[in-house]
Amino acid sequence: GAVVSQHPSWVICKSGTSVKIECRSLDFQATTMFWYRQFPKQSLMLMATSNEGSKATYEQGVEKDKFLINHASLTLSTLTVTSAHPEDSSFYICSASGGSSYNSPLHFGNGTRLTVT
Amino acid sequence: AQKITQTQPGMFVQEKEAVTLDCTYDTSDPSYGLFWYKQPSSGEMIFLIYQGSYDQQNATEGRYSLNFQKARKSANLVISASQLGDSAMYFCVGRLTGGGNKLTFGTGTQLKVEL
Repeated sequence: GAVVSQHPSWVICKSGTSVKIECRSLDFQATTMFWYRQFPKQSLMLMATSNEGSKATYEQGVEKDKFLINHASLTLSTLTVTSAHPEDSSFYICSASGGSSYNSPLHFGNGTRLTVT
Repeated sequence: AQKITQTQPGMFVQEKEAVTLDCTYDTSDPSYGLFWYKQPSSGEMIFLIYQGSYDQQNATEGRYSLNFQKARKSANLVISASQLGDSAMYFCVGRLTGGGNKLTFGTGTQLKVEL
């Protein structure tokens, strides 16, 4: 089946530093990838839609300068948390689909647990 | 607005019993897909089953089946012969044309399988 690889699986960083999270589709091309944030015992919250070759579309309330998204190829999207602060600590997860229609399942990476100290 | 509703924040089931996790959705679009994902405590999202709006039959995948009632706009997940490894959070997810083909998540149901 389709595989999405997300790296790193966990990261601890100091306040003020930046952290890059990678999301790769391993056996299919993904023109669109999605980035989510999840707080403990809550559902996934869509942060942004990453489109290959164009700017990402951010959801309302998500700071685009804080969460930089780059989708440079059909198999790789990156999320950079810039100048991280403790309130950015969360579980970040990406998803990708080989198709954009309603009946194309989305496959998820295993998530990245970010802790900012 | 597109919406997915899961009314059961937590469920308990005994091992080997069947359990139904509820999901209702709200859309005026004729074309949509409904998915169920399992999220164990380790965090990964595992795809379980899919039902398309035009599918005539209920989807089944091994021990998972989807009780799709289009007129009621419900897509309940049925897990048969529950196993301890089924303990996890379960999300009903819609990919609704009117939502730009983004996923819309329900709030999730935490399932615990007991001996």
